[in-house]
Amino acid sequence: EIVMTQSPATLSVSPGEGATLSCRASQSVSSNLAWYQQKPGQAPRLLIYGASTRATGIPARFSGSGSGTEFTLTISSLQSEDFAVYYCQQYNKVRSFGQGTKVEIK
Amino acid sequence: EVQLVESGGGLVQPGGSLRLSCAASGFTFSSYSMNWVRQAPGKGLEWISYINSRSSAIFYADSVKGRFTISRDSAKNSLYLQMNSLRDEDTAIYYCAREPPSVIPFDLWGRGTLVTVSS
Repeated sequence: EIVMTQSPATLSVSPGEGATLSCRASQSVSSNLAWYQQKPGQAPRLLIYGASTRATGIPARFSGSGSGTEFTLTISSLQSEDFAVYYCQQYNKVRSFGQGTKVEIK
Repeated sequence: EVQLVESGGGLVQPGGSLRLSCAASGFTFSSYSMNWVRQAPGKGLEWISYINSRSSAIFYADSVKGRFTISRDSAKNSLYLQMNSLRDEDTAIYYCAREPPSVIPFDLWGRGTLVTVSS
């Protein structure tokens, strides 16, 4: 089983500031890494796949990078609608999610 | 409209069984792999099962292996999860999620159905 570890657990950011979220895999997942956003009471939404490709309709302020075991999601300038929980997911070997990073308003 | 709609959740006693359904519409269901993902109250996402488009590849998380069974019926555009020997820790919202026939992961999710295991 591939274990995904996200950091930090909570990130406090002011609107307009940038945010960097990290995700580490317990073994290489190549570039088979996705990021999802989840707001309260809603299903998750796919943001990034292939470690760095934005899904359809996702704004350019969201970017992903990394390969192997270390990955990063960067939000360049947080808008009010970006405050949410973010999950990374590997789909290289079966599937598994990280525990999530909550991005909250500072 | 392209959508997934889960149903079948509810209150069940420990040791009981429940069958969840996921109805697909607006796309060619038979071309997609499908997954079940759950989320316990206030907790993160947990992937629990995968089935490919032809039902020839099926995987489970260790937490449900031997108790849950995933299946699909392409004639009915439906995905199922048979859950047996339910435990308190199976209490969660259960989502179905679509996986395209490429390297794109879960691109479409349902709104979920709540399963509560309690005596």
